[in-house]
Amino acid sequence: EVQLVESGGGLVQPGGSLRLSCAASGFTFDTYWMHWVRQVPGKGLVWVSRINSDGSTTNYADSVEGRFTTSRDNAKNTVYLQMNSLRAEDTAVYYCARGTLTYHYTSGLFDSWGQGTLVTVSS
Amino acid sequence: AIQMTQSPSSLSASVGDRVTITCRASQGIRNDLGWYQQKPGKAPKPLIFAVSSLQSGVPSRFSGSGSGTDFTLTISSLQPEDFATYYCLQDYIYPYTFGQGTKVEIK
Repeated sequence: EVQLVESGGGLVQPGGSLRLSCAASGFTFDTYWMHWVRQVPGKGLVWVSRINSDGSTTNYADSVEGRFTTSRDNAKNTVYLQMNSLRAEDTAVYYCARGTLTYHYTSGLFDSWGQGTLVTVSS
Repeated sequence: AIQMTQSPSSLSASVGDRVTITCRASQGIRNDLGWYQQKPGKAPKPLIFAVSSLQSGVPSRFSGSGSGTDFTLTISSLQPEDFATYYCLQDYIYPYTFGQGTKVEIK
């Protein structure tokens, strides 16, 4: 069974940093792209970032470019989201999601999601 | 960034109704579009990928169609468990973008 478990959320002051982790199990982790998606409670979904299967390429939403960094450790089956210079508007539930297989691209499909971890940026 | 505009933002429908939700992209996105269902307090669930392919385990009353810039999610006969919020997602070009969501409520 595919499982994604996020951790690392919490309360942080504006300007602070936080690192989220997403531990994966039940599939061959190093063959999939991984994504981060966030959602302000009561609002819509916002795509945050993507990392390819070997970690060599990343992409970001304009709102987090230069402040957030996605990385992965395929030996630990874990993807990370390092969040720096946090702002109040970064307050949200952060989900990790499994994307496409590297060698069999499937469009529009994030087929497994974690339960989410809440990040609150407030003084 | 590509804007994904969903309509309507919300709708009220009865069990058994046929429901159609549309998603319009601000530019062509080939077939790089998926649909997701989200219930309160839960993670999104994939329904449709590549415009019209049904994700494994999803009931056949869900279907997707469209091309270019205009896409549709149809629920052929609304069931009690379908009351939720639905989102489209384009992954044609970065940054990927979701529609703003369509909340399907009980009439």
